[in-house]
Amino acid sequence: GQQLNQSPQSMFIQEGEDVSMNCTSSSIFNTWLWYKQDPGEGPVLLIALYKAGELTSNGRLTAQFGITRKDSFLNISASIPSDVGIYFCAGRLMDSNYQLIWGAGTKLIIKP
Amino acid sequence: EAQVTQNPRYLITVTGKKLTVTCSQNMNHEYMSWYRQDPGLGLRQIYYSMNVEVTDKGDVPEGYKVSRKEKRNFPLILESPSPNQTSLYFCASTQWGTDTQYFGPGTRLTVL
Repeated sequence: GQQLNQSPQSMFIQEGEDVSMNCTSSSIFNTWLWYKQDPGEGPVLLIALYKAGELTSNGRLTAQFGITRKDSFLNISASIPSDVGIYFCAGRLMDSNYQLIWGAGTKLIIKP
Repeated sequence: EAQVTQNPRYLITVTGKKLTVTCSQNMNHEYMSWYRQDPGLGLRQIYYSMNVEVTDKGDVPEGYKVSRKEKRNFPLILESPSPNQTSLYFCASTQWGTDTQYFGPGTRLTVL
């Protein structure tokens, strides 16, 4: 099946740093979703995007729906220890049914 | 409390011994799905169900079966498990028309 290209695979950052990650595809999407998975738990929805160019924030998190409809970006400002986990992007193709296509995840690790 | 429950949380079994992982949601959601999560591959959908008695294959259905006899339950059945089915499994449910998937806590399966 299709998969989104999510990068980076992992990030080691200092507390207080800003974080950026993205997902790209050769296909056009009508929905982009960003999830976070804490260790030992299932993913939880952070942000949902529905329009090309849309910029949406959730606290220190900001996500954007790319203008080409083929990519999306997530930024975390001033990272804190509880930001550690795996961040997943997921997208729904134009004219698809309810199924989502998932990225492989970005693992965020904060250096002590 | 709105939740998705899965049982068991951990299971070690042997090749060929049939097993069932149960999934139940208390939110009256129509849409339910099963995913497996493997390192570097993210979440891959196994099967999904749009409503009672309506199920369909996801990206990686081989070796799995599901049923949806009641709205709240969506069990995953491995008739003859093999070592390549060793993975972390998540059940999820969604209210039709929304994008918020509620994930269960996960079932870590090891097939020896």
